[in-house]
Amino acid sequence: DTEVTQTPKHLVMGMTNKKSLKCEQHMGHRAMYWYKQKAKKPPELMFVYSYEKLSINESVPSRFSPECPNSSLLNLHLHALQPEDSALYLCASSPRTWGEKLFFGSGTQLSVL
Amino acid sequence: QKEVEQNSGPLSVPEGAIASLNCTYSDRGSQSFFWYRQYSGKSPELIMFIYSNGDKEDGRFTAQLNKASQYVSLLIRDSQPSDSATYLCAVGVNNNDMRFGAGTRLTVKP
Repeated sequence: DTEVTQTPKHLVMGMTNKKSLKCEQHMGHRAMYWYKQKAKKPPELMFVYSYEKLSINESVPSRFSPECPNSSLLNLHLHALQPEDSALYLCASSPRTWGEKLFFGSGTQLSVL
Repeated sequence: QKEVEQNSGPLSVPEGAIASLNCTYSDRGSQSFFWYRQYSGKSPELIMFIYSNGDKEDGRFTAQLNKASQYVSLLIRDSQPSDSATYLCAVGVNNNDMRFGAGTRLTVKP
């Protein structure tokens, strides 16, 4: 299994909603990531988990809250988002550390109304 | 100064031609180099990686790395319309950082 699975594929939410994005990999990778990507821009790093511990938080607003329940799962909890948070949210994993090849999930296209 | 630079394009080549995509980077501590292909509305897909100076070939793709010049390139031979996508160059630094270029949009015309 060489896939990173993300759900849901599409999400529309209001600014007062709470929702979660989910990511799962079964490649035994020990580093997992959340990236945000706006149209025609490169992926922008949000969070890095290394061996289930949050190692990097790129000054992301607190309305985004990551969680790594175990080595295969990564969640991103969303609360009180703004319309400018609308983007493609990508989960990725790598074998051990950041700087290795990344395997991306198919992404969640998020629209905030 | 941008750390990983790519020509944003669009780069347009005719079907069957060689497409040449270029990337320069500023950090001499960079150790790993990746090319991702991203179709519109889809997620990036790793297509090539290279760690040592020289060329690395995989099918129609060749990655070239010159650490002295801080330059990495991707050649796509016999370009097909299905190769039309944005190509992202990414550079790994010291096994604890990854920097993406802005991407080059490639169009292959039948």
